[in-house]
Amino acid sequence: DQQVKQNSPSLSVQEGRISILNCDYTNSMFDYFLWYKKYPAEGPTFLISISSIKDKNEDGRFTVFLNKSAKHLSLHIVPSQPGDSAVYFCAPRGSKLIWGLGTSLAVNP
Amino acid sequence: GAGVSQSPSNKVTEKGKDVELRCDPISGHTALYWYRQRLGQGLEFLIYFQGNSAPDKSGLPSDRFSAERTGESVSTLTIQRTQQEDSAVYLCASSPARNTGELFFGEGSRLTVL
Repeated sequence: DQQVKQNSPSLSVQEGRISILNCDYTNSMFDYFLWYKKYPAEGPTFLISISSIKDKNEDGRFTVFLNKSAKHLSLHIVPSQPGDSAVYFCAPRGSKLIWGLGTSLAVNP
Repeated sequence: GAGVSQSPSNKVTEKGKDVELRCDPISGHTALYWYRQRLGQGLEFLIYFQGNSAPDKSGLPSDRFSAERTGESVSTLTIQRTQQEDSAVYLCASSPARNTGELFFGEGSRLTVL
C-alpha cells in the first residue's frame, strides 16, 4: 500500500521557467514532509521540508506548499536551472515507507 | 568522514553466493536505515536501527536478508544465497535523534547478481 504517490514520473521545463512537482498522500496522520533530490549514482539529499502546521515553506528558489484537506503537496522551483535536473522524492517523516519512483525533472538550457 | 559512507560501491556476484554490504553512518547519528532500489522501482525500506532498541526488521524481504549494527556505529547488511532479484542499489541513511526526520544518505552499493 503506497501511502505517498507522485503521479508524474517525469517533467521537462525550460531554464528560467517554473517547475512544479506534485505529491499526494493518503494518511492524514502524517505531520511533516520532506523533499529529497537525487542525482544518478548518488544517494538522495534533503532539499526542503514542511510541517503540517504550515501551508507554505520557502527556501530561496524552492517553495513547498501543503494542502492538508486535499492531502497534496507541491514543490515549486523558480527559476529552474539545468543543475536542478534530478529525481525528486517527497516523503513523510519517519520514512520507513516505500517512497515511490519520484519525479524525474529535466531542465533544458 | 563527514557523510554516510558505504562499501563496496559496486559488487558483482554469482547467484547463490553470500554478500556483505557495509554502512558507516555520520558520527553521533543514532538512527540508521537500509533501503534498496531495484531497477524501475521506488526506494524500498528494509530495516531500521535506533540506538540500543530492537531493530525494525519489517521491511526485510526474506530470511536470506539480515543486518547488524554495532552500537551506534557501523552496520552490515548480509544477503545469503543471493538471487538475481536481489540485484539493486542498496542505500544506507542515518539520522540524528530527535530531529526533523531528515535522512542523510550514502551513495549506495550497487549489487549485481549474475
